[in-house]
Amino acid sequence: DSGVTQTPKHLITATGQRVTLRCSPRSGDLSVYWYQQSLDQGLQFLIHYYNGEERAKGNILERFSAQQFPDLHSELNLSSLELGDSALYFCASSIAGVPNEQFFGPGTRLTVL
Amino acid sequence: EDQVTQSPEALRLQEGESSSLNCSYTVSGLRGLFWYRQDPGKGPEFLFTLYSAGEEKEKERLKATLTKKESFLHITAPKPEDSATYLCAVQEGGSEKLVFGKGTKLTVNP
Repeated sequence: DSGVTQTPKHLITATGQRVTLRCSPRSGDLSVYWYQQSLDQGLQFLIHYYNGEERAKGNILERFSAQQFPDLHSELNLSSLELGDSALYFCASSIAGVPNEQFFGPGTRLTVL
Repeated sequence: EDQVTQSPEALRLQEGESSSLNCSYTVSGLRGLFWYRQDPGKGPEFLFTLYSAGEEKEKERLKATLTKKESFLHITAPKPEDSATYLCAVQEGGSEKLVFGKGTKLTVNP
């Protein structure tokens, strides 16, 4: 158990809908990262938040957004969902700085029908 | 061009048959190279961090090494429970994001 929690575990929804994925980091970690894992692309970095502020963006679609709250939990919002958004979404947390070891949550499996 | 390339894509071993997985990288200014283990449908589990060429780390049957262009994950006398996908990732420069390879799927048969 990494100490990172994610909810829900599974999400099934229809095209065009909007969903919210939630992540709670390990105790003491201020950084939260979101990654997407699909069969053909592997693990891809989406976005990084540190202590409530956006630090870096990766290959995140404009239909996707995230935020980190004062209690340090984070939410990833996915809207206007398409079939291709079906994937595993992972949250990771770490202490700040480079290099750092990132600890991953169990993931949310999103299926868009 | 991929920054992190892992080979082979898949590897089948008999229990007790030692082997190595390769991770080659082309990033400049490497700050850290990370190995993770991922079981199907689960999140990646952190194994090792390597910071500089020549460094080695060990954990049970696993040993990770790093050169200026690649890293190896050596598996000695593997057991069926070592079956998983092993992922390599790098951090470069001042970026905190991890850039992952596509992984090596290891199957160890009893």
